[in-house]
Amino acid sequence: EPEVTQTPSHQVTQMGQEVILRCVPISNHLYFYWYRQILGQKVEFLVSFYNNEISEKSEIFDDQFSVERPDGSNFTLKIRSTKLEDSAMYFCASKTDRGEQYFGPGTRLTVT
Amino acid sequence: EDQVTQSPEALRLQEGESSSLNCSYTVSGLRGLFWYRQDPGKGPEFLFTLYSAGEEKEKERLKATLTKKESFLHITAPKPEDSATYLCAVERGSNYKLTFGKGTLLTVNP
Repeated sequence: EPEVTQTPSHQVTQMGQEVILRCVPISNHLYFYWYRQILGQKVEFLVSFYNNEISEKSEIFDDQFSVERPDGSNFTLKIRSTKLEDSAMYFCASKTDRGEQYFGPGTRLTVT
Repeated sequence: EDQVTQSPEALRLQEGESSSLNCSYTVSGLRGLFWYRQDPGKGPEFLFTLYSAGEEKEKERLKATLTKKESFLHITAPKPEDSATYLCAVERGSNYKLTFGKGTLLTVNP
């Protein structure tokens, strides 16, 4: 059964460094998303991406963040100049034009 | 602003003891309501989509229902492997972003 994959599973970085989180969505899906979940809190929407551009972003998704679909399979989230409060689980999700979003297993980002 | 409230925050059941989880929502132009299961340290796993009031969906020991204000996830004769956090989310608009509740942590004791 097709699934969303994410790498790495765990990333440790120092404050101020840049990180790139990678996702491979399900192959025939058209909409791509990033969410995050701070420990003990709800899953929060960050950004949606469709037709090679951002279609919506939350207040959290400021200039520190960027997304890219560099080729036909990968979808990346870049976080520049990481802060302690960026520590969270980051989930990638994808969907077709109708139906449900399927989530990846997540990347645990720890900023020290 | 879309709001999703789940109750209870935590629920402890004995194996075989049926119960229900609640998800109340406030959203303008609901497109769909989703139930996910989340195990510790893992991503949300899709369970059900409900699109209109009165709709019901079933999967094994789980049954989801939807009204205009809330959704219920009924668990019949649960087993320990049903222990997880159950998340409710609503979707609206053309970009299909999901707004999640905080979830209900279900523990089923043998």
